[in-house]
Amino acid sequence: AQTVTQSQPEMSVQEAETVTLSCTYDTSENNYYLFWYKQPPSRQMILVIRQEAYKQQNATENRFSVNFQKAAKSFSLKISDSQLGDTAMYFCAFMKLPGQAGNMLTFGGGTRLMVKP
Amino acid sequence: IAGITQAPTSQILAAGRRMTLRCTQDMRHNAMYWYRQDLGLGLRLIHYSNTAGTTGKGEVPDGYSVSRANTDDFPLTLASAVPSQTSVYFCASRQGSNTEAFFGQGTRLTVV
Repeated sequence: AQTVTQSQPEMSVQEAETVTLSCTYDTSENNYYLFWYKQPPSRQMILVIRQEAYKQQNATENRFSVNFQKAAKSFSLKISDSQLGDTAMYFCAFMKLPGQAGNMLTFGGGTRLMVKP
Repeated sequence: IAGITQAPTSQILAAGRRMTLRCTQDMRHNAMYWYRQDLGLGLRLIHYSNTAGTTGKGEVPDGYSVSRANTDDFPLTLASAVPSQTSVYFCASRQGSNTEAFFGQGTRLTVV
C-alpha cells in the first residue's frame, strides 16, 4: 500500500514571497503519478500540478513548480510570487498508473497555507 | 454544465438514522470514488467502483455501503449513523485511462 505524508500542518507566507510545501511518500511502484491539489474555503478540489514519475523534468504550471526527488521519494511544491488567492489547504496525492489494479488517489494529511498581505 | 454533483450539500443527522449521500456525474467516467475528509487525515477512500456493476472497499469502509447500478450514479449509504461518521464527504470520478479526477463539491455531514 502507498502512504503519503505532509509534515507541515500549517504554513504562512507574505504576499509576493515564495513558499515550499513538503511531501514524502512510500511506494514499491517504479512508475506512478504524483499530484498537488488545492482546496480553498469553498471546499472545491482543484488540481494544481501533476508529475509523472518516469519523467525526470520537474513539472511547472505558471507560479507553481515541483521538486521531484524520486530516489528520496520526495515531492515538494513551490509557490512563487504568492497571492492572497493562494490561501487554501494543499494536498499531496499519489496514484498508480491508469489501468493498474488499485489505481485510486492516496492523499496526504494536507497543509493549510495562509498568504498574508 | 458537465461535472459531478453531490446532494445534499450539508446535513445534520441523528445517530442511528439511515442516510444516503447522492453522487451523479454526466461525464460518462467509468471510475467513481467516495472519500471522507477529516482534519489532519486528508482524504481517505471509503469505497470505489471501477465500472458500473462493480464496487470495492477502500481504506475506511466500515459502516458504509455503495452501489453502482449505472455509469452515472454512485450513492453512499450509512446504514446506522454514528458520531464518528461526522465528516465532509467527497465523491470523485475519473475516466480509467486518464489521471485527472473530478470532484464534487462535498457533503458536510454532522451526526449528533
